[in-house]
Amino acid sequence: GESVGLHLPTLSVQEGDNSIINCAYSNSASDYFIWYKQESGKGPQFIIDIRSNMDKRQGQRVTVLLNKTVKHLSLQIAATQPGDSAVYFCAETGRYNFNKFYFGSGTKLNVKP
Amino acid sequence: DGGITQSPKYLFRKEGQNVTLSCEQNLNHDAMYWYRQDPGQGLRLIYYSQIVNDFQKGDIAEGYSVSREKKESFPLTVTSAQKNPTAFYLCASSIKISRDTYVRLNYGYTFGSGTRLTVV
Repeated sequence: GESVGLHLPTLSVQEGDNSIINCAYSNSASDYFIWYKQESGKGPQFIIDIRSNMDKRQGQRVTVLLNKTVKHLSLQIAATQPGDSAVYFCAETGRYNFNKFYFGSGTKLNVKP
Repeated sequence: DGGITQSPKYLFRKEGQNVTLSCEQNLNHDAMYWYRQDPGQGLRLIYYSQIVNDFQKGDIAEGYSVSREKKESFPLTVTSAQKNPTAFYLCASSIKISRDTYVRLNYGYTFGSGTRLTVV
């Protein structure tokens, strides 16, 4: 499969600070991206998605930024809370293979009280 | 509530034994997927099914088998041919996507809570 990876395996932030989680992808044909949150022992939960015709998309306390030039995706979490502690990973697909997503290995976010 | 249910939560397999992991969804989704998750690695696709009575191999299908006799159910059998089965297994479902609808619809997978399989 195509390579979808994360720069930092573990990120520790103070409660109330903003968090930024990064993801690099290698397939320039990828045009649909999703961020998932996975708490320990649970299945991943959909957070936010973005298509390649957008640079930025905002949700509740979360923002996803897409830089197609350098094939980079980031997830920003505002005012990080203890409940945000989890593993976050990105997934990507494209017109070449829209039935399947490829997932990155994840970044573990630790929120310190 | 609509959702996707995996059972059991924990499963232990002896050497040479086949085991079956259950996945049931009541979301009326056409597509279902099985992924394997190992520590420090991304999810890897085992099998997927876009419609009843049809399924395709994913990237790591060897040693696994599936069936899709009902829309709601997509059980995964881990056979004795799978030499390293210890992992966290995730089932997911989604609406069926075609090349036409792909550009119009936003779709993510709904995941189950997973089954942790351990070889003893």
